[in-house]
Amino acid sequence: EAEVAQSPRYKITEKSQAVAFWCDPISGHATLYWYRQILGQGPELLVQFQDESVVDDSQLPKDRFSAERLKGVDSTLKIQPAELGDSAMYLCASSLGGRSYEQYFGPGTRLTVT
Amino acid sequence: AQSVTQPDIHITVSEGASLELRCNYSYGATPYLFWYVQSPGQGLQLLLKYFSGDTLVQGIKGFEAEFKRSQSSFNLRKPSVHWSDAAEYFCAVGEEGGSQGNLIFGKGTKLSVKP
Repeated sequence: EAEVAQSPRYKITEKSQAVAFWCDPISGHATLYWYRQILGQGPELLVQFQDESVVDDSQLPKDRFSAERLKGVDSTLKIQPAELGDSAMYLCASSLGGRSYEQYFGPGTRLTVT
Repeated sequence: AQSVTQPDIHITVSEGASLELRCNYSYGATPYLFWYVQSPGQGLQLLLKYFSGDTLVQGIKGFEAEFKRSQSSFNLRKPSVHWSDAAEYFCAVGEEGGSQGNLIFGKGTKLSVKP
């Protein structure tokens, strides 16, 4: 069964350092999402791609976060510089697109900023 | 603004007992509704979804949910809980307008199962 891949699974970094997360969606899925999930909360959307284009990054803290999906396949989310409040689970999801298609989630990257 | 409310933060049930997890939403039109389950340290797995039609939907692992428009609810049920059902459960609604496909999640309900 096809799955969404994410790496690394765990990352510990010091504040003010740069950190990057990688996501490989299910083959053929045009839409890719990055979510942030703070402990004890539900996921919140950071950025949504349709192919290689950003369609929603309204909740992305653009002063320190960036995301790209250059060839419309895999994607990278970067934080620079990391802050203590960025400690969270970062989830990637993909779908065929549109409201009627379910999102498939990867295992996530657990980030701890010290 | 759209929102999803899961009133119960933590529920404990005995193995073999029935389960109902509550979800209420605010939404202008007919919502797209989802239930996801998350095991510790893992991503989310879709249990079931409602788009239209029959208001009682069946999902994986023996779960079902009923859409009640009059109550703005989409409660998740299971007749007999297994120890492996212990996890966190999230209700979500597809966002109205804006970008297609974005989900608004509730804060989750953590389910513990007593032997």
